[in-house]
Amino acid sequence: GENVEQHPSTLSVQEGDSAVIKCTYSDSASNYFPWYKQELGKRPQLIIDIRSNVGEKKDQRIAVTLNKTAKHFSLHITETQPEDSAVYFCAASISGGSYIPTFGRGTSLIVHP
Amino acid sequence: SQTIHQWPATLVQPVGSPLSLECTVEGTSNPNLYWYRQAAGRGLQLLFYSVGIGQISSEVPQNLSASRPQDRQFILSSKKLLLSDSGFYLCAWSASSGRGEETQYFGPGTRLLVL
Repeated sequence: GENVEQHPSTLSVQEGDSAVIKCTYSDSASNYFPWYKQELGKRPQLIIDIRSNVGEKKDQRIAVTLNKTAKHFSLHITETQPEDSAVYFCAASISGGSYIPTFGRGTSLIVHP
Repeated sequence: SQTIHQWPATLVQPVGSPLSLECTVEGTSNPNLYWYRQAAGRGLQLLFYSVGIGQISSEVPQNLSASRPQDRQFILSSKKLLLSDSGFYLCAWSASSGRGEETQYFGPGTRLLVL
């Protein structure tokens, strides 16, 4: 089955710096890659996603890049703010079927004011 | 728009007691439904998923069970809770397959503490 590795497990940055979280996946059939943000005590919420027919997607300060050949994808947050502090999860999945995404173990992002 | 509800929000139960957590989805039909558990500071562990009424798949053998008595209702149960059942239980839904709308959306969660 699919295996998703996520790094780093913890990332500490100063406000205004950029943050990058990387994930690798094992199943070349995976074609949908969402990213979730989970604030302390709350539910994971989708912040951005990318499909395998696209190499990059941006939404204001966040972007996701996908390298299908290398089977890795990354989340980029620019101009970080304290409210970006949260745990971020990546996932990989195959469209269709019963849709069971495989999640990474999460990255705790801490943005220092 | 779609909404997902979970209750209760928090629960403190003694070891050996039964459990029933409920999840309902509004604004969509025939959703895929999921139960996840998240231990403190840890990742998301898939417990059960369902693609239709009465159709339950278990991902992890344990003392929990799930049922889907109605299209948009998903219930997580246990006859006897263990200390290790403590955690944050999240229900999620996604649109039925084949429409390119597979994103999962999570409910607000139930925080369970077994003492």
